[in-house]
Amino acid sequence: NAGVTQTPKFQVLKTGQSMTLQCAQDMNHNSMYWYRQDPGMGLRLIYYSASEGTTDKGEVPNGYNVSRLNKREFSLRLESAAPSQTSVYFCASRPDRVSTDTQYFGPGTRLTVL
Amino acid sequence: EDQVTQSPEALRLQEGESSSLNCSYTVSGLRGLFWYRQDPGKGPEFLFTLYSAGEEKEKERLKATLTKKESFLHITAPKPEDSATYLCAVSGTSGSRLTFGEGTQLTVNP
Repeated sequence: NAGVTQTPKFQVLKTGQSMTLQCAQDMNHNSMYWYRQDPGMGLRLIYYSASEGTTDKGEVPNGYNVSRLNKREFSLRLESAAPSQTSVYFCASRPDRVSTDTQYFGPGTRLTVL
Repeated sequence: EDQVTQSPEALRLQEGESSSLNCSYTVSGLRGLFWYRQDPGKGPEFLFTLYSAGEEKEKERLKATLTKKESFLHITAPKPEDSATYLCAVSGTSGSRLTFGEGTQLTVNP
């Protein structure tokens, strides 16, 4: 199992450009999440998806959109990138067992917006 | 609103010098407390989940404990390869969403 994979690993954008961050998991998990990690701020939830076809806002959703393409894939789109979106982005997924909220993370995408 | 505070922000130890990291939390109805390890340039790696006060879990040189207000990650006789940032998170009755602390950066010198 590859677990949670993310592409690309690194990206540099100019202000106003758009891009989509891709995430896929091969663990048959229903729930998937997008976080951003900034120095001094910890991991903050952007959007999450409890199942295929559903998405919900997290703590910092402004400037982002998401698509749950199927059970495996959950993408994050920046329509018009801003320097404030320079960050490291992590995707995570969670097993479907009711008894646990444990999430498993991908390797991250490091995004710089100039 | 759930809150997680980790201390210290950074900790330097000599190899073999045992210590503890602290995670204080406030949450409405704790569903779980989570410890992760994060190496530079990598994603968080799951270590432990604790569900109720009094619970303890161990993995190699790491032992996690939980009370009603805080959790400790005890590191016994650490080695340089234990150097990493350790993250604490909680989930409450609001659902499966996790609230993270800012982490403790641990450096173990040989």
